[in-house]
Amino acid sequence: ETGVTQSPTHLIKTRGQQVTLRCSSQSGHNTVSWYQQALGQGPQFIFQYYREEENGRGNFPPRFSGLQFPNYSSELNVNALELDDSALYLCASTHDRGGYNEQFFGPGTRLTVL
Amino acid sequence: AQSVTQLGSHVSVSEGALVLLRCNYSSSVPPYLFWYVQYPNQGLQLLLKYTSAATLVKGINGFEAEFKKSETSFHLTKPSAHMSDAAEYFCAVSPNDYKLSFGAGTTVTVRA
Repeated sequence: ETGVTQSPTHLIKTRGQQVTLRCSSQSGHNTVSWYQQALGQGPQFIFQYYREEENGRGNFPPRFSGLQFPNYSSELNVNALELDDSALYLCASTHDRGGYNEQFFGPGTRLTVL
Repeated sequence: AQSVTQLGSHVSVSEGALVLLRCNYSSSVPPYLFWYVQYPNQGLQLLLKYTSAATLVKGINGFEAEFKKSETSFHLTKPSAHMSDAAEYFCAVSPNDYKLSFGAGTTVTVRA
């Protein structure tokens, strides 16, 4: 039990639609990162938010966007869904207070794009 | 850019045998290195991490890993495999900004 939850657990969308995935972090976690894990591959870093501001982005197009809220929840939005967006989406959060602090992963949302 | 390479996408061991999972990293600065485990239909669980302290790192569930700078390696071992160790294992590297770069993963199966 990591204290990080994600919703929904599973989601099916069609190509061209938009989707919003949600993550709820532990209280005090000011940093949240999102990862995409395609089937049979390792997770790929999408972007990170620190104190509600984007703090780095991986090699993902602008149709992937995010928000982080003061209540330690966050969202990943994907517009114009493509078949290749089918994957497990993971969020991970931590309290960045200097040094290294463990990052906790949620169980993920499995997105299927038809 | 930092990256990791996991050698072997699949490892099969007998129950009670040594588990050895190989990971090599590339980094221009001393990195933070991690091993994560993922059970089917679950998220990632941290097994252990190297953060510039002792080079031999002990983790949960009897796993340990040794940081070897000269070999740019961070191999994961467990002396005696248990059936519950069947899972997928990921090596990851980060420059301590919580942005992890993961390897492709190694699937471990344990034979009775």
